[in-house]
Amino acid sequence: DIQMTQSPSTLSASVGDRVTITCRASQSINNWLAWYQQKPGTAPKLLIYKASSLESEVPSRFSGSGSGTEFTLTISSLQPDDFATYYCQQYSSYSQTFGQGTKVEI
Amino acid sequence: EVQLVESGGGLVKPGGSLRLSCAASGFTFSTYAMNWVRQAPGKGLEWVSSTTSSSAYIFYADSVKGRFTISRDNAKNSLYLQMNSLRAEDTAVYYCARVRGSGSLDAFDIWGQGTMVTVSS
Repeated sequence: DIQMTQSPSTLSASVGDRVTITCRASQSINNWLAWYQQKPGTAPKLLIYKASSLESEVPSRFSGSGSGTEFTLTISSLQPDDFATYYCQQYSSYSQTFGQGTKVEI
Repeated sequence: EVQLVESGGGLVKPGGSLRLSCAASGFTFSTYAMNWVRQAPGKGLEWVSSTTSSSAYIFYADSVKGRFTISRDNAKNSLYLQMNSLRAEDTAVYYCARVRGSGSLDAFDIWGQGTMVTVSS
């Protein structure tokens, strides 16, 4: 199986900060990568698909980049609603895998 | 409104069985691949199983292969997960999730609210 490793595991930031989360794949996944946001007690929400495509109605402060094995999720100006846990997911094969998550906290 | 609603979770003893259901509404269920994803308490997300729109292709995580069975009834707009030989490590919130677009491999754009499964004696 393809392993997905996110860093950091926890990130402390303030409103207005630029935040970057990294996700590395154990082998090339081309650009078959998604990013999700999850708040406590709720289901994950799709933010980015195909590494850099913004899902409908997701604010433009979220952006994704990368290909192959290294990917980033960037929040250009952190808002109060953005404090949550973020997961990457590879879907280059049917044995899909998620990263371990990055918690963005105040 | 596009919606997925899971049901069927609960408390079950080790070795027991449970069947989860996911009711879809607001979209043409029969044209979308579907998945089950789980999340153990305080842990990350784990993909469990996938089925293509027509059930032609089905896939399982190694951790559940041989114990869990995914199925769907397109006439009833429903997805199922039959879970047998349950173990303590299967304790989790189980989500059903839709694959975006017409393909069978893509990101998950619609998620249900989840149903909790607890395996304990």
